Amino acid sequence: DIQMTQSPSSLSASVGDRVTITCRASQTISTYLNWYQQKPGKAPKLLIYAASNLQSGVPSRFSGSASGTDFTLTISSLQPEDFATYHCQQTFGIPRTFGQGTKVEIK
Amino acid sequence: EVQLVESGGGLMQPGGSLKLSCAGSGFTVVTTYMSWVRQAPGKGLEWVSTIYSGGNTYFADSVKGRFAMSRDNSKNTLYLQMNSLRVDDTAVYYCAREPPYTSAWDYWGQGTQVTVSS
Repeated sequence: DIQMTQSPSSLSASVGDRVTITCRASQTISTYLNWYQQKPGKAPKLLIYAASNLQSGVPSRFSGSASGTDFTLTISSLQPEDFATYHCQQTFGIPRTFGQGTKVEIK
Repeated sequence: EVQLVESGGGLMQPGGSLKLSCAGSGFTVVTTYMSWVRQAPGKGLEWVSTIYSGGNTYFADSVKGRFAMSRDNSKNTLYLQMNSLRVDDTAVYYCAREPPYTSAWDYWGQGTQVTVSS
C-alpha cells in the first residue's frame, strides 16, 4: 500500500499568513495527488486535483505543487474561512490512501 | 447539478448488519468510479471501498469479507452492505464520486453516522 505522510499535524497561524502543508508519498504516484478541506461536521471539499490543478470555484490563494514524491499545498494569504483541516489523498493506486490531516487553527 | 445523498446509518449491535445508500443526481453512477470512506470520531479519513465503472470492487483489509458494494442503475444509487459489524466500524460514512478526468473525489455525500455498540 502507498503511505501518505502529511505534516504538520496542526499549525497555528494568523489571518494574512502564508501557510504551507506538505505530503510525502512512500512511492511514486506521478501527480495523482489531491487536496481537500474539511470543516467540522461537514464532508471534505476538493481544493486541488492532480497535484496542482485548482478545482472550479476554489479561491486562487490556494495552490499546489509537486517535486518527485513530495507535494505541497500553499495558502498564500490565510483568510478567516480557511481555518479547517486539510487532507491529502493519492489516487494512483488502490487503496486510495489519505494523509493524517493538518488542522489549521487561529493563532 | 451533481448531488449525492446518503441514508441508512444508525445504531447497531456488534455482529449486526446495515445497508447504506448513496443516491446520485445530475450524473450517472455507473459511468464513474464511486467510493466509500469513513471517519471515526476525531480521526482522519479512512478509505473503505471503491467500485470501478466496469463493476470491479475493492475493499480495505479491515472490511474485506464483511462489506460489499453494489449499484442499482434504475435508481442511480450506490450501496454499501455492512455485515458482521464491529465496534471499530463506528464512524461517519461518506460516499464520493471520482470521475476519470480528474482522478479526484469532486462530489461527496453529506455523511451518515454508523454507531456499533452493545
